[in-house]
Amino acid sequence: GNSVTQMEGPVTLSEEAFLTINCTYTATGYPSLFWYVQYPGEGLQLLLKATKADDKGSNKGFEATYRKETTSFHLEKGSVQVSDSAVYFCALLIQGAQKLVFGQGTRLTINP
Amino acid sequence: ETGVTQSPTHLIKTRGQQVTLRCSSQSGHNTVSWYQQALGQGPQFIFQYYREEENGRGNFPPRFSGLQFPNYSSELNVNALELDDSALYLCASSDERVGSSGNTIYFGEGSWLTVV
Repeated sequence: GNSVTQMEGPVTLSEEAFLTINCTYTATGYPSLFWYVQYPGEGLQLLLKATKADDKGSNKGFEATYRKETTSFHLEKGSVQVSDSAVYFCALLIQGAQKLVFGQGTRLTINP
Repeated sequence: ETGVTQSPTHLIKTRGQQVTLRCSSQSGHNTVSWYQQALGQGPQFIFQYYREEENGRGNFPPRFSGLQFPNYSSELNVNALELDDSALYLCASSDERVGSSGNTIYFGEGSWLTVV
């Protein structure tokens, strides 16, 4: 089946630290991969996406590269800010399917 | 701003009651999906509607049902509420059938349902 496994949280970092949140997937087809972010009390916002192997998605200083050989889509940011505190979800979408499959989420807290 | 609005934002219901949650999608978005997000979990797919017909369903019982209307609005109905139905319910829309390469799925801010 199709599934997404994320690095367990919570993750706590100091401002300006380097961030990595690991995400690996299992898919029966050729997925598109996504990172969504959920700020406290809000819905999901698309952070970035990649639709084929070796694509790099980027937005707001965050990056993730679609690695087919390791079935991974790790999220990185070089220097985090307090405003990056949120829950981050990795997700996949199989072409021709009807649903996003989400990981369990990783709560990130950035301290000043 | 995703252009997807949901109502109500919060509600409390009693076990056994029925609830209707509403969603308004962006104009032109003919695909709408509903997800359930339990506390501390990732969203789980409930079902999807495409041009007013159900077009896929997750592992949810028939007491979860939906409607999609021509004006890009939709509803999620849950009958015979159970305590475990307490969750954030998210509506998502896109401008073509989900699964096409590269299309973007937009989420609303969700409706928090508490069943007591």
